[in-house]
Amino acid sequence: DTEVTQTPKHLVMGMTNKKSLKCEQHMGHRAMYWYKQKAKKPPELMFVYSYEKLSINESVPSRFSPECPNSSLLNLHLHALQPEDSALYLCASSQEQGANYGYTFGSGTRLTVV
Amino acid sequence: GNSVTQMEGPVTLSEEAFLTINCTYTATGYPSLFWYVQYPGEGLQLLLKATKADDKGSNKGFEATYRKETTSFHLEKGSVQVSDSAVYFCALPDTGRRALTFGSGTRLQVQP
Repeated sequence: DTEVTQTPKHLVMGMTNKKSLKCEQHMGHRAMYWYKQKAKKPPELMFVYSYEKLSINESVPSRFSPECPNSSLLNLHLHALQPEDSALYLCASSQEQGANYGYTFGSGTRLTVV
Repeated sequence: GNSVTQMEGPVTLSEEAFLTINCTYTATGYPSLFWYVQYPGEGLQLLLKATKADDKGSNKGFEATYRKETTSFHLEKGSVQVSDSAVYFCALPDTGRRALTFGSGTRLQVQP
C-alpha cells in the first residue's frame, strides 16, 4: 500500500459545528503532516508529527486541533471555524521527519465553512 | 530562510511542444530539491527530485538538473501531452530542514 487516504473528500460545515478530518497511511512512515492550500496558492505547513509526537505547530489557531492516535492515523479536529478557513486540507507522510525525504500526499479534503 | 521562486503562469503550449518551467532557489548549504505536480482536484504527487549538485532527476519524460552555479532547478520535457496539464510546484526544505516549503506554482495548459 503506497497511498495516503484522506476522508472525507468534501466537507461543508457551519461556524458552530465540530468536525474531524482523517488521514491514514500504511507505509510504515513515521512522520505525518497537515498542510492547508488556498485556491491558486501553494500548500502551507500547519502541523508535523514525528513518531506520534507533535513536532511542529506553525502557530495555527486553536480552532484546529491535531491528533495522532497511532503511527498510521492522523486526525485534524475542527471547531468554531471561520469562512476564511475554507481551503483544501492536505495530509502527507514521509519515512522520517526531514525534508530530504519525498512526501506522499493524500488527495485532500475540500472544506467549506458557511 | 530557504525559498524558491518559480516563473509566473499560466504556461500554454500545444501538444508535442517543448516545456521549460523555471525555478531558482535561495538556500543555506545544498538541500535536496523537488518537483511536485498537482492535477485538477487532486493532491500533490512527487514528480522528481535531486539530492546534490549536478544530480539530474527524471520521471515520466520530465527532467531537472540541480545547478548550484546558477541556483536553479528548471523543469523540462521534450514533448508535452494534454495529460500533462496541471500545476507544478518546485520545493525545498525550509531553513531548519524540518519540512518542505513550496514555490508559488506554475499552471501548465496543453492544448490538442
